[in-house]
Amino acid sequence: AQSVAQPEDQVNVAEGNPLTVKCTYSVSGNPYLFWYVQYPNRGLQFLLKYITGDNLVKGSYGFEAEFNKSQTSFHLKKPSALVSDSALYFCAVRALNTGGFKTIFGAGTRLFVKA
Amino acid sequence: DVKVTQSSRYLVKRTGEKVFLECVQDMDHENMFWYRQDPGLGLRLIYFSYDVKMKEKGDIPEGYSVSREKKERFSLILESASTNQTSMYLCASSLGFRGNSGANVLTFGAGSRLTVL
Repeated sequence: AQSVAQPEDQVNVAEGNPLTVKCTYSVSGNPYLFWYVQYPNRGLQFLLKYITGDNLVKGSYGFEAEFNKSQTSFHLKKPSALVSDSALYFCAVRALNTGGFKTIFGAGTRLFVKA
Repeated sequence: DVKVTQSSRYLVKRTGEKVFLECVQDMDHENMFWYRQDPGLGLRLIYFSYDVKMKEKGDIPEGYSVSREKKERFSLILESASTNQTSMYLCASSLGFRGNSGANVLTFGAGSRLTVL
């Protein structure tokens, strides 16, 4: 069965420091991987996705993510965190070979960036 | 600006009431989805639809039904609300699933926070 794990409920980082939000997945077949962000009292917004090709994917607001097939991971990164990056981050996976339409989400990781 | 609009941001209902949550998208998307979001559980798929009058069960369909009479509108119905349905409900839409469509991004509404007393 498809699954997504975000092992950290919360990540704390100081402004200006690099940040990493971890994600591992389990699917059969080739995965499509996504990161979404949710700011307070708002719906989810798309950040970036991995389809194929380069393992390092760049997205919105300076975020990037690294796809690692051997470790089945898709960690979200940013070289220098901003206070405004504080939000709830969701990793998600869709696997083509299921023929289905479902996107499976992780439980979410809350990022706190302290000034 | 493209939009997924959920008609109610906050609702308070009583146990046993029938509840309608409405979602409208203006992007001509084929696919529409209803998720519920609970702390520590992430987003769980309730129902989805890939065409008008079509619907498929997600992971937690019990206690819910849906209606899609028009392409732009997808309604979630709680026939008899219960306290364990207190949650944040998120509607999303995406382009249809053709070609390399697994890469299609979901566009979400702002959410409807339902409290059942």
